[in-house]
Amino acid sequence: AQSVAQPEDQVNVAEGNPLTVKCTYSVSGNPYLFWYVQYPNRGLQFLLKYITGDNLVKGSYGFEAEFNKSQTSFHLKKPSALVSDSALYFCAVRDGGSYIPTFGRGTSLIVHP
Amino acid sequence: DVKVTQSSRYLVKRTGEKVFLECVQDMDHENMFWYRQDPGLGLRLIYFSYDVKMKEKGDIPEGYSVSREKKERFSLILESASTNQTSMYLCASSSTTPLAGGFDRDTQYFGPGTRLTVL
Repeated sequence: AQSVAQPEDQVNVAEGNPLTVKCTYSVSGNPYLFWYVQYPNRGLQFLLKYITGDNLVKGSYGFEAEFNKSQTSFHLKKPSALVSDSALYFCAVRDGGSYIPTFGRGTSLIVHP
Repeated sequence: DVKVTQSSRYLVKRTGEKVFLECVQDMDHENMFWYRQDPGLGLRLIYFSYDVKMKEKGDIPEGYSVSREKKERFSLILESASTNQTSMYLCASSSTTPLAGGFDRDTQYFGPGTRLTVL
């Protein structure tokens, strides 16, 4: 079985400050981890993924995420938030042997000017 | 540059109507998915297809069926629409084989969504 948790429904941050959106996961095998972003009335867009290799993954729009196996976490980070980063962020995980990812419930990121 | 398209952005139907939602992808992906998205519930998988004419039930298949007659097209059918099927419906595709053309293996590519209202 696989599952993912995004413990915060909403994250508020001031423009220019660093941001973190949290994600923890559970899988029986090797995890494939993903972050997606959804802007209002749009589909999801891929940000970054971890399959194997370096624990720090860099993605689109200046975002990065750190894979922490011991804490089973894959938190999304950005050093300096922009108002345009305001959106809904989804973490997803799948077992390496599966085609089908499981999504978290999403975290609404609000960046204040 | 559009890769996954959905037939309608907004749709309003009456209770009991048969509803077809169409999804087309141009990336030659084997896998296609239908999700519904509801506030506070995230994305829930309705059906999944890993090849033409092949389908598997997801987490919430009740009240839905699917059709995949061609590799690029995956249709979601609501046999008799009900008000509790009012939702945002998202289609996605992915591949698990090495791909040319710059598309990323394992990543899901999503359509823009169809917001369905059943009255």
